[in-house]
Amino acid sequence: DVKVTQSSRYLVKRTGEKVFLECVQDMDHENMFWYRQDPGLGLRLIYFSYDVKMKEKGDIPEGYSVSREKKERFSLILESASTNQTSMYLCASSSPGQAEAFFGQGTRLTVV
Amino acid sequence: GENVEQHPSTLSVQEGDSAVIKCTYSDSASNYFPWYKQELGKRPQLIIDIRSNVGEKKDQRIAVTLNKTAKHFSLHITETQPEDSAVYFCAASKTGTASKLTFGTGTRLQVTL
Repeated sequence: DVKVTQSSRYLVKRTGEKVFLECVQDMDHENMFWYRQDPGLGLRLIYFSYDVKMKEKGDIPEGYSVSREKKERFSLILESASTNQTSMYLCASSSPGQAEAFFGQGTRLTVV
Repeated sequence: GENVEQHPSTLSVQEGDSAVIKCTYSDSASNYFPWYKQELGKRPQLIIDIRSNVGEKKDQRIAVTLNKTAKHFSLHITETQPEDSAVYFCAASKTGTASKLTFGTGTRLQVTL
């Protein structure tokens, strides 16, 4: 059974703080993704990585960066958190051959 | 890049009726079309998917149809039950290295008794 685990379910941070969201998968998947979920907007891709140390911008990368030092771990970094980054963040992983994405349980981030 | 549109945004049906959700995509190179179900407070989970070499796929009460020419695909749920109430997302991607899913905006399905 694939497991994608995000480090926190809920986070409250102050404006201007540097925020780290961590994601770990245990299925040796090459691809990992960070999505942001907002009501009425669906799941929007922030960044993805298809290999260690490789990253590509998604549709809404502004204000975010990522790190993938190990195959199983993909981190999302908010360099200076702002209130418009209050959202649900979902991590996912997949293998290129199968394409199905497996999601983590989500992190609800509130920036005050 | 790929753009996926999904309709309707909300759908209310009576238990036992059918529900249909429709999506269109823009990139003719997309070849993989999954549907995810997200129950309240839970993570999205794959319920059915279809690849571009197939026109229709069925799994018990759920079916998906794909029209490559028109670039649209649909989810059909028959004999709906209260546990079908959830948000449903369609998505599209090209398989292979660096494949990424582009999602629709979601449909909130409410099955009433």
